[in-house]
Amino acid sequence: AQKITQTQPGMFVQEKEAVTLDCTYDTSDQSYGLFWYKQPSSGEMIFLIYQGSYDEQNATEGRYSLNFQKARKSANLVISASQLGDSAMYFCAMREGHSGGYQKVTFGTGTKLQVIP
Amino acid sequence: DGGITQSPKYLFRKEGQNVTLSCEQNLNHDAMYWYRQDPGQGLRLIYYSQIVNDFQKGDIAEGYSVSREKKESFPLTVTSAQKNPTAFYLCASSRRGGLDTQYFGPGTRLTVL
Repeated sequence: AQKITQTQPGMFVQEKEAVTLDCTYDTSDQSYGLFWYKQPSSGEMIFLIYQGSYDEQNATEGRYSLNFQKARKSANLVISASQLGDSAMYFCAMREGHSGGYQKVTFGTGTKLQVIP
Repeated sequence: DGGITQSPKYLFRKEGQNVTLSCEQNLNHDAMYWYRQDPGQGLRLIYYSQIVNDFQKGDIAEGYSVSREKKESFPLTVTSAQKNPTAFYLCASSRRGGLDTQYFGPGTRLTVL
């Protein structure tokens, strides 16, 4: 079974509108972390936002927020007020494992977001 | 400025040759990682190192080798044993092994001719 599933290979959004990128995950661990990264065409992976499994409030970082629904095992990224510079690939990732040792990070296959002027 | 550098940005190699990709960080991070990215796929872990002079195989280590002689440096050698080495290679580091957010370098695109 896939650990991280991103079901939207590509999405379009109008500039200045909000967009939600979907991510579902699969783990039996109680302690885990969820990440979103942005990869522009230049290739570098840029860290956007992090949510810990025990965090009760949804994480927010500027225009990015993570809609964390633990029971549904979903960690959707919401980008508000889209900008042309938001056009990129977006990857959801999960860290799981036992504390004190290496915790593996698994990445999804990504969603390509295109912002239309 | 603190960050992760990878060189070269583009690399061309003939079949049968070994090639080494450089990764340097000045973030004082303990852990470093190498990932491979193929078109339409996510990142797959090649090797990781939680501390100097120690490293572990990831999911796709066959045909690759690494060393970690200095905290700042984690070079990756793509050997001739790697059957399909053409890919985008990303290096990352984190403050502690696996417990913190991984930050990435700009990547190296390797093409085998």
